[in-house]
Amino acid sequence: QVQLVQSGAEVKKPGASVRVSCKASGYTFRDYYMHWVRQAPGQGLEWMGVINPSGGGTWYAQKFQGRLTLTRDTSTSTVHLDLSNLRSEDTAVYYCARPRDTSGFDFWGQGSLVTVSS
Amino acid sequence: QSALTQPRSVSGSPGQSVTISCTGTSSDVGAYDFVSWYQQHPGKAPKLMIYDVNKRPSGVPDRFSGSKSGNTASLTISGLQAEDEADYYCSPYAGRYIWMFGGGTRLTVL
Repeated sequence: QVQLVQSGAEVKKPGASVRVSCKASGYTFRDYYMHWVRQAPGQGLEWMGVINPSGGGTWYAQKFQGRLTLTRDTSTSTVHLDLSNLRSEDTAVYYCARPRDTSGFDFWGQGSLVTVSS
Repeated sequence: QSALTQPRSVSGSPGQSVTISCTGTSSDVGAYDFVSWYQQHPGKAPKLMIYDVNKRPSGVPDRFSGSKSGNTASLTISGLQAEDEADYYCSPYAGRYIWMFGGGTRLTVL
């Protein structure tokens, strides 16, 4: 069965960087793009970006251009999210999500809480 | 990217039907038949309820249906049940590998 297992919670200071990882299993890793979505406390879902695990191509929401980097390690079927220059507004639960062939994210990681606080 | 508009809240009694709208633009909702809907209960990850405007993943009750007209997509839940009380989000494709989420709608079952 498809599983997306994310790394644990992180606490960071403003200006620092954070890495959140998502290890995929139960399917052919290279066959499906991987998306990242975040949710600030009490707020809605926010799409951040997507990576093609096969070729490594990435696409980011305009809001995160310059601060967000998505990478993948095909040897471990893991995708990484790196967010730099953190500010308090980046405090959120970060999810990786695997899409269906067309639209819709049908598998989600358990979420990783990132807290940015001085 | 432009914002998507969803009502902040809707409500209905058990057995009734409710419809949640998601209004975008001709560059996102209106441009592609790639609109999905998610249900999220507190403290849980979102769950896919509708994809490609009107398709249901296996296991999703047929009480949930989706549609689209112009720049507005809609999710209709018929035969409301207590467990349907949750937050609902629309998510259209906006082209060039970019996706969006609406602001979310809180459904209350009275």
